[in-house]
Amino acid sequence: AQSVTQLGSHVSVSEGALVLLRCNYSSSVPPYLFWYVQYPNQGLQLLLKYTSAATLVKGINGFEAEFKKSETSFHLTKPSAHMSDAAEYFCAVSPGGYQKVTFGTGTKLQVIP
Amino acid sequence: SAVISQKPSRDICQRGTSLTIQCQVDSQVTMMFWYRQQPGQSLTLIATANQGSEATYESGFVIDKFPISRPNLTFSTLTVSNMSPEDSSIYLCSVVRQDYGYTFGSGTRLTVV
Repeated sequence: AQSVTQLGSHVSVSEGALVLLRCNYSSSVPPYLFWYVQYPNQGLQLLLKYTSAATLVKGINGFEAEFKKSETSFHLTKPSAHMSDAAEYFCAVSPGGYQKVTFGTGTKLQVIP
Repeated sequence: SAVISQKPSRDICQRGTSLTIQCQVDSQVTMMFWYRQQPGQSLTLIATANQGSEATYESGFVIDKFPISRPNLTFSTLTVSNMSPEDSSIYLCSVVRQDYGYTFGSGTRLTVV
């Protein structure tokens, strides 16, 4: 079985500050890991994915995440927050091989001017 | 990435009625997934639909309530039957392709009154 835990249902940062959204995973097989973003009243958009290649993954909109097996973590970061980053972010895990994706509970990011 | 068209985008339905949601993909895919996102919640997998076989339902979801069709490799429907206000959610279909990973439709926002 696979699962992800997102620490912090709400995170607030000032515009221009570092964004750090935490995700820890549990998996019995080498995982595929994802970060998705959901803007208000919109669908899910893939930010980035880890599929056992480079441990530092760069995504869209300046986001990146680092896979740390020793810490079972896949935290999402962005050096400088923009107002447009305000959204809900979901960490997700899959065993790959066309199998289902399991989502975390989500973290709502608020960016303060 | 794969393009998914989901219809309707939103609907308001009377309790006791049924709604069929359509998901059309721009390319052939083996597996399609149906998720539910209840208000303020994360995404929960309802079922996995393979072409030519019965859908596989997750714990807590049954075929009588959420019948699924998968007539070909580019199309699937999810029906929400005998609706109650508790069924008010966003319903999303998702596909996975080896080259693009997991892609989600924009969702169907269902309100049951």
